Amino acid sequence: AQKITQTQPGMFVQEKEAVTLDCTYDTSDPSYGLFWYKQPSSGEMIFLIYQGSYDQQNATEGRYSLNFQKARKSANLVISASQLGDSAMYFCAMREGTGNTGKLIFGQGTTLQVKP
Amino acid sequence: DGGITQSPKYLFRKEGQNVTLSCEQNLNHDAMYWYRQDPGQGLRLIYYSQIVNDFQKGDIAEGYSVSREKKESFPLTVTSAQKNPTAFYLCASSKLDTLNEQFFGPGTRLTVL
Repeated sequence: AQKITQTQPGMFVQEKEAVTLDCTYDTSDPSYGLFWYKQPSSGEMIFLIYQGSYDQQNATEGRYSLNFQKARKSANLVISASQLGDSAMYFCAMREGTGNTGKLIFGQGTTLQVKP
Repeated sequence: DGGITQSPKYLFRKEGQNVTLSCEQNLNHDAMYWYRQDPGQGLRLIYYSQIVNDFQKGDIAEGYSVSREKKESFPLTVTSAQKNPTAFYLCASSKLDTLNEQFFGPGTRLTVL
């Protein structure tokens, strides 16, 4: 069964507008972490934002915020004021448990294109 | 500057040959990881290591081998047993005390001719 689901293979957004990238996850572990990474066409993975399952507030990092809805098991990424440089593939990932492995499970990704 | 380096950036291999991908980090991270990414897909874990001289299989370890003789280095060997090795390979590292983000290298694109 898919543990991380990103249902939007591709998204378009107008420059300067906000966009939401969806991510749902599946785990029975009460302790987990959720991550978003950006992958430009060059291939490197850039860490954007992290949300722990016990964090009381939604994570924010500059123009990135994570809309964490625990009961719905969703962790959507919101990018405000989109820029042309935001065009990339975006991956949601989950780390399960408190065991010291740090292993991440990745979704299939969403390709975002920002239009001028 | 601290970071993760992978070499080479592009690698071509003939069928039946083993090839080793390099991954080095100077972040003093305990854990290191190898992922495989196929076009338009997410990352899948091949192997990971939490400590020197120890490593564990990930979800797709068949046809791959690793070693962890030094904390800074985690080379991946793609053996001839790997049926479809053409892919983009990413190495990552992380601290284990915080279990937060993994830092990634720039990747190696392997093509089997």
